[in-house]
Amino acid sequence: NAGVTQTPKFQVLKTGQSMTLQCAQDMNHNSMYWYRQDPGMGLRLIYYSASEGTTDKGEVPNGYNVSRLNKREFSLRLESAAPSQTSVYFCASSLLPRDNEQFFGPGTRLTVL
Amino acid sequence: TQLLEQSPQFLSIQEGENLTVYCNSSSVFSSLQWYRQEPGEGPVLLVTVVTGGEVKKLKRLTFQFGDARKDSSLHITAAQPGDTGLYLCARNSGYSTLTFGKGTMLLVSP
Repeated sequence: NAGVTQTPKFQVLKTGQSMTLQCAQDMNHNSMYWYRQDPGMGLRLIYYSASEGTTDKGEVPNGYNVSRLNKREFSLRLESAAPSQTSVYFCASSLLPRDNEQFFGPGTRLTVL
Repeated sequence: TQLLEQSPQFLSIQEGENLTVYCNSSSVFSSLQWYRQEPGEGPVLLVTVVTGGEVKKLKRLTFQFGDARKDSSLHITAAQPGDTGLYLCARNSGYSTLTFGKGTMLLVSP
């Protein structure tokens, strides 16, 4: 089992460009999450999907959109990238919404110039 | 907002030393998790504590949940370079989400 996979690992964008971060899990988990991690700020939740077919905003949703494509895949889209979105992005999944354990992917390091 | 305060923010020690890091909140939480994040990787769950006063051990790591369920500590005995990483605590913050503390960055030098 690969667990949670993310693509790409690294990306550099210019201000105003768009891109989609991909995430997939092979653990048959119901819930999936997108976080960003910035120095001194910890992990902050952007969006989550408690179950297939549902998505909800987290703490810092502005500038992002998500799609729960199917049970396995949850993508994060930046429509018009800004330097403030330079960060490391982590996707995570859990078996159930109330399940304490979240499994994280290896992250995508994004730089917006 | 149900904040989690972690201290210290950064800790640099020599191999073989003992250390304790803390996670505190002003409100009671039903359970608390500790994750470790190694450089360049995602966080990995170490333990979940649920009962006030609970103590759990994972090899040289000892986790304690405060009696009032507002605080938790992680004690590492005889730290090794492999313990280097960011230690994060997290609590439930709704039906299906977690709130993370900002973490304690631990560096263990040989």
